[in-house]
Amino acid sequence: EVHLAESGGGFVQPGGSLRLSCAASGFSFSSYWMSWVRQAPGKGLEWVANIKHDGRDKFYVESVKGRFTISRDNAKNSLYLQMDSLRAEDTAVYYCVTGGRPPSWGRGALVTVSS
Amino acid sequence: ENVLTQSPGTLSLSPGERATLSCRASQRVNSGYFAWYQQKPGQAPRLLIYDASSRATGIPDRFSGSGSGTDFTLTISRLEPEDFAVYYCQDYGDSAWTFGQGTKVEIK
Repeated sequence: EVHLAESGGGFVQPGGSLRLSCAASGFSFSSYWMSWVRQAPGKGLEWVANIKHDGRDKFYVESVKGRFTISRDNAKNSLYLQMDSLRAEDTAVYYCVTGGRPPSWGRGALVTVSS
Repeated sequence: ENVLTQSPGTLSLSPGERATLSCRASQRVNSGYFAWYQQKPGQAPRLLIYDASSRATGIPDRFSGSGSGTDFTLTISRLEPEDFAVYYCQDYGDSAWTFGQGTKVEIK
């Protein structure tokens, strides 16, 4: 059974940094694209970033380009999201999602950016 | 970027009624990478349908998905009390994913 567990969320001031991690199990992690999706309070779902199975290609939504970095460690079955220069509008629950068919989701990690 | 537009924004129905939710894409979607989700307050999205028409594990058969190209539909044949929630469509066939804005199914 696929299991995804996000960690690293928390409270940070504007301009600060945070690193999210996602521990994956129950599937061949190195064979799948992986993604981060977020949901701001009371809002819809927004895709944030994708990373190819080998980590060579990465894609971002325009609003986080140059501030967020997605990465993975296939040896550790782990996905990461380094978030720098955080803004209030980055406040959201961040979900780790597989690019498989069907896709699988973690339970999410809350990131709050506030002064 | 493929823009997904869901309609209606809100659907007011009674238990036992049929719900028909629409998702229209601005560009052709690969049906093998199209999904529907249900989300309740405080919970992660729950996958209902993938590959446009395949039910995810454990999803009741009152949920069905159809469509291809740019027009997709989620049908709930007879609403149960636990089905009142927000529903999202998703295109995950490209390097950039997109979601619809959601349809809220509320009790009339």
